[in-house]
Amino acid sequence: EDQVTQSPEALRLQEGESSSLNCSYTVSGLRGLFWYRQDPGKGPEFLFTLYSAGEEKEKERLKATLTKKESFLHITAPKPEDSATYLCAVQEPGGTSYGKLTFGQGTILTVHP
Amino acid sequence: EAGVTQFPSHSVIEKGQTVTLRCDPISGHDNLYWYRRVMGKEIKFLLHFVKESKQDESGMPNNRFLAERTGGTYSTLKVQPAELEDSGVYFCASAKYTGELFFGEGSRLTVL
Repeated sequence: EDQVTQSPEALRLQEGESSSLNCSYTVSGLRGLFWYRQDPGKGPEFLFTLYSAGEEKEKERLKATLTKKESFLHITAPKPEDSATYLCAVQEPGGTSYGKLTFGQGTILTVHP
Repeated sequence: EAGVTQFPSHSVIEKGQTVTLRCDPISGHDNLYWYRRVMGKEIKFLLHFVKESKQDESGMPNNRFLAERTGGTYSTLKVQPAELEDSGVYFCASAKYTGELFFGEGSRLTVL
């Protein structure tokens, strides 16, 4: 069974203090790896999709990278508004349900001013 | 463009009662998904519709759960009879083609 493990479970940063979140996965034939952001009381909001090892994508202060076994979400000079739960999910290989995702438990990020 | 909407936002029922959750996907999105997050656990896939057809319902916990998608538009998820372990947040998501899902805000179900 596919597994997605995120670390750390929670991360507290000072504004401007850069760091990285980790997502390790065990899946044969990865089809896609997704990063989502979730604010309290809201649904997950799509950030990035990565498909192959070595791929990188950036959006504002966030950069996602992918290797054969894990993905990192790098946060550069974070601001308090970056505080949220960050979710990693893998797309199950095979089949036609492209949106059938296996999620990790998430990393709760808190950025203090 | 309106996003994915879910109703109700919160439902409190007693064990043995019935609850129906509704999801209106983004217009033009043929793919509709139901996910669930129970306390302390990760978000888990329940099922996938393509238009009005069930593409994959491998994540449905048991036969107390019934999902429908009338005319390929909105979808309902009925839990009958509800059990304590059904408590959690039920998310609906829609997508046009790829795995990039647009999620609703979720329906929180509390079974007492």
